[in-house]
Amino acid sequence: GENVEQHPSTLSVQEGDSAVIKCTYSDSASNYFPWYKQELGKRPQLIIDIRSNVGEKKDQRIAVTLNKTAKHFSLHITETQPEDSAVYFCAASYRGNEKLTFGTGTRLTIIP
Amino acid sequence: SAVISQKPSRDICQRGTSLTIQCQVDSQVTMMFWYRQQPGQSLTLIATANQGSEATYESGFVIDKFPISRPNLTFSTLTVSNMSPEDSSIYLCSVEGRGSPETQYFGPGTRLLVL
Repeated sequence: GENVEQHPSTLSVQEGDSAVIKCTYSDSASNYFPWYKQELGKRPQLIIDIRSNVGEKKDQRIAVTLNKTAKHFSLHITETQPEDSAVYFCAASYRGNEKLTFGTGTRLTIIP
Repeated sequence: SAVISQKPSRDICQRGTSLTIQCQVDSQVTMMFWYRQQPGQSLTLIATANQGSEATYESGFVIDKFPISRPNLTFSTLTVSNMSPEDSSIYLCSVEGRGSPETQYFGPGTRLLVL
């Protein structure tokens, strides 16, 4: 089955700087890669996703890049703000088998 | 995205007892999923709740321990049976996105503590 690895497990970034979280996946059939943000005590919330027919996707301060050949994808957050502090999870699945396999999570702390 | 609710939001239970968690969606969805999130950990899929047929369980999860019902396209239940302290977790349901079956949206979760 699919295996998703995520790094780093913790990340501290000065407010205003950029943060990058990286994930690798094992199943070359995977073609859908969402990112979730989970604040303390709350549900995971989808913040951005990318499909394998696209190499990059951007939504305001967040962007995701995908390298299918290397089987890795990354989340980029620019101009970080205190409200970006949360745990971020990457995941992978493929059409026809919509079960998400999650990475281990990254605790992002924005230092004011 | 759909509005998803779960009941109860939290509970404290004694070992050996069972708890049934409900997941309600405000629109019909084909796919519903149940996840477990142990303290400080990632999300692990327990099973896919199929309407009109038995749930499909992931490796390490069995029907006797986690029976699931899916009586219609807006509702599902997960029962945690014969609980032990190791079952203390957050249990989350998720549903597919409208027009985008691979996208999943999560309910608020049920925080379970087993003593």
